[in-house]
Amino acid sequence: QSALTQPASVSGSPGQSITISCTGTSSDVGSYNLVSWYRQDPGKAPKVIIYEGTKRPSGISRRFSVSKSGNTASLTISGLQAEDEADYYCCSYAGFGTFVFGTGTKVTVL
Amino acid sequence: EVQLLESGGGLVQPGGSLRLSCSASGFIFSDYAMSWVRQAPGKGLERVSSLTNGGDQIKYAESVEGRFTISRDNSKNILYVQMNVLRAEDTAVYYCVKDGGDHGRILYPEVWGPGTMVTVSS
Repeated sequence: QSALTQPASVSGSPGQSITISCTGTSSDVGSYNLVSWYRQDPGKAPKVIIYEGTKRPSGISRRFSVSKSGNTASLTISGLQAEDEADYYCCSYAGFGTFVFGTGTKVTVL
Repeated sequence: EVQLLESGGGLVQPGGSLRLSCSASGFIFSDYAMSWVRQAPGKGLERVSSLTNGGDQIKYAESVEGRFTISRDNSKNILYVQMNVLRAEDTAVYYCVKDGGDHGRILYPEVWGPGTMVTVSS
C-alpha cells in the first residue's frame, strides 16, 4: 500500500482560500467515499476535521470543505486564518480492513 | 469524553522488544476497532496495525508483519502491541487510535491518544 500523495506545502494570505489535494488510486480514494482529513499541530496528536468523506465533527468550522473527483480528494480552507497553520493529512479506507495516509501538507499563513 | 493513554515507550536496543499499552475510557471499548499508528521524527503518519472490536480481523503494515503483534483485552479496556526484533527505523511516536467505524469495523482513525515515544538505538 503506497501513501496517498499530497503537496508538501501550501501557503496563502489571511482571508484567501487554499486547497490541499490528496491523490490515491482506484483501490482507495477512487473506490470509497471514506476519505478523512486530520490537522496536526507541532508536538500534538492528529485531530480529525473531516470524516466519512464529507462529515465535520462538532466544533469544526464550516470554512473546511471537501470534494472528490476520481482518485483525488481535496480539502479547501476558506477565509484562511493564522490559526489554520498546521500540518494536514488525508487518509482513505483501502478495503479489507485497511486505511492509508497521505504524505502530509504543511499549511503556512503568510 | 473519549480518552486514550499510551504507555510503555522508551529506549531499546536494536533487536530488542517492547510492549506498548493503551488504556481507553469514555466509550464502550468492546464496540470499536482500534489501531496503532506511528510517526517517525519529522515524517508522516503510518498505520502499524489494526484489529476489529472482537479481534477477529487483524491487519499489519508490511514493515512490521511478523515482528509486531496487536491484541486487546476488552474486559480491561486495554489495547496492546508487542514489538519484537526492533530496528532503528521503528523509532517513532506511537499513537493509539479509536476507529470511527460502526459495528466494530476498521474504517478510519477517529480519536487519537497523545502518543508514546519509542527510540531504537544502541
